[in-house]
Amino acid sequence: AQKVTQAQTEISVVEKEDVTLDCVYETRDTTYYLFWYKQPPSGELVFLIRRNSFDEQNEISGRYSWNFQKSTSSFNFTITASQVVDSAVYFCALATNFGNEKLTFGTGTRLTIIP
Amino acid sequence: EPEVTQTPSHQVTQMGQEVILRCVPISNHLYFYWYRQILGQKVEFLVSFYNNEISEKSEIFDDQFSVERPDGSNFTLKIRSTKLEDSAMYFCASSRNEKLFFGSGTQLSVL
Repeated sequence: AQKVTQAQTEISVVEKEDVTLDCVYETRDTTYYLFWYKQPPSGELVFLIRRNSFDEQNEISGRYSWNFQKSTSSFNFTITASQVVDSAVYFCALATNFGNEKLTFGTGTRLTIIP
Repeated sequence: EPEVTQTPSHQVTQMGQEVILRCVPISNHLYFYWYRQILGQKVEFLVSFYNNEISEKSEIFDDQFSVERPDGSNFTLKIRSTKLEDSAMYFCASSRNEKLFFGSGTQLSVL
């Protein structure tokens, strides 16, 4: 069985601070995929990143970066120089089937950026 | 940029009524999904659909639920006899090359 844990329920930071959202996953499969989604107040789920288990290289996209560490089963997400528009709920998710993305979601972290 | 579209954005129904939620997946995608999110909770997988049949379903997806791809472009979720606990945001999604894209959701309220 798969499990994703996002221990931080809510985080508040002042604008321009850096913030890291934690994600820890459990799976017995050796091939799996990890995702991050953003859910702004409007409710949609916005795809941010997909990472497969073979690629532990960290990724940076603008102010966003992701740190994947298989040794600790973690896939953490850092926002640098946070902005008010980053306020949202962020979900980490895990899939183990290639092509059939049955995602197991974490419970989400509500991030509030204080102007 | 192509996107998954869902209609309606909000649906209110009486308990016991049938509802059909509609989705148009991204055109060259191969897998289609329904997920739901009860208010304030995490997103849960309901069902995946490939090659015109269900490929996997969760325990939530009982006999009250069904999916259909009636015309090659639309993908529907039917709930035959809605219950209060079916109130949730229902997300349609489609995928290709392991990237899963969600629609903006249909908020279903069962009264």
